[in-house]
Amino acid sequence: DTAVSQTPKYLVTQMGNDKSIKCEQNLGHDTMYWYKQDSKKFLKIMFSYNNKELIINETVPNRFSPKSPDKAHLNLHINSLELGDSAVYFCASSQSLRPGDEQFFGPGTRLTVL
Amino acid sequence: EDQVTQSPEALRLQEGESSSLNCSYTVSGLRGLFWYRQDPGKGPEFLFTLYSAGEEKEKERLKATLTKKESFLHITAPKPEDSATYLCAVQVGAGGGADGLTFGKGTHLIIQP
Repeated sequence: DTAVSQTPKYLVTQMGNDKSIKCEQNLGHDTMYWYKQDSKKFLKIMFSYNNKELIINETVPNRFSPKSPDKAHLNLHINSLELGDSAVYFCASSQSLRPGDEQFFGPGTRLTVL
Repeated sequence: EDQVTQSPEALRLQEGESSSLNCSYTVSGLRGLFWYRQDPGKGPEFLFTLYSAGEEKEKERLKATLTKKESFLHITAPKPEDSATYLCAVQVGAGGGADGLTFGKGTHLIIQP
């Protein structure tokens, strides 16, 4: 019954590695997002996708790349991981492009880079 | 630059002691103001969307209001289960496109029995 799911929940890895976080939504929504929540709990938008097209791409390093095989999935690939990438990453989805459409968030993936 | 500021950063109340959380914003082209609740180790949970000044919405012990510069989340007779971090976020844009939310840093609310 989970609306927005993410895997894995925890990810511990070494600096320099490449990793992926998967996100799936079963709500039939058109738009999906990735957010980063840093150690100070500040939640910041990274990317959004609408019908498999990248809509916004905030000023994040190009080591981060979102990939959407279909509109129910939006995966986040991270290359050459750095210590500063340690954070909790949240996936979210919304019904459409209508202003004010609520965004439903997944449970988060805690990434720790050693 | 769009900004969202929440106050206080932390608030400790006794059960039944009503209070308000503040969210002030400086944005252009506001499309919506959102309130979310976040419990430790979980993703934000949607509470309300407000679109225009003067609008109010209620849900159980919570009531959200909006002016042209700020929003308040009023908590009436809170219970310990209302303890959480409350996040305010704005959605801006000229229309069209999927705009991500700009969040404030949140208010960490603790309700003591």
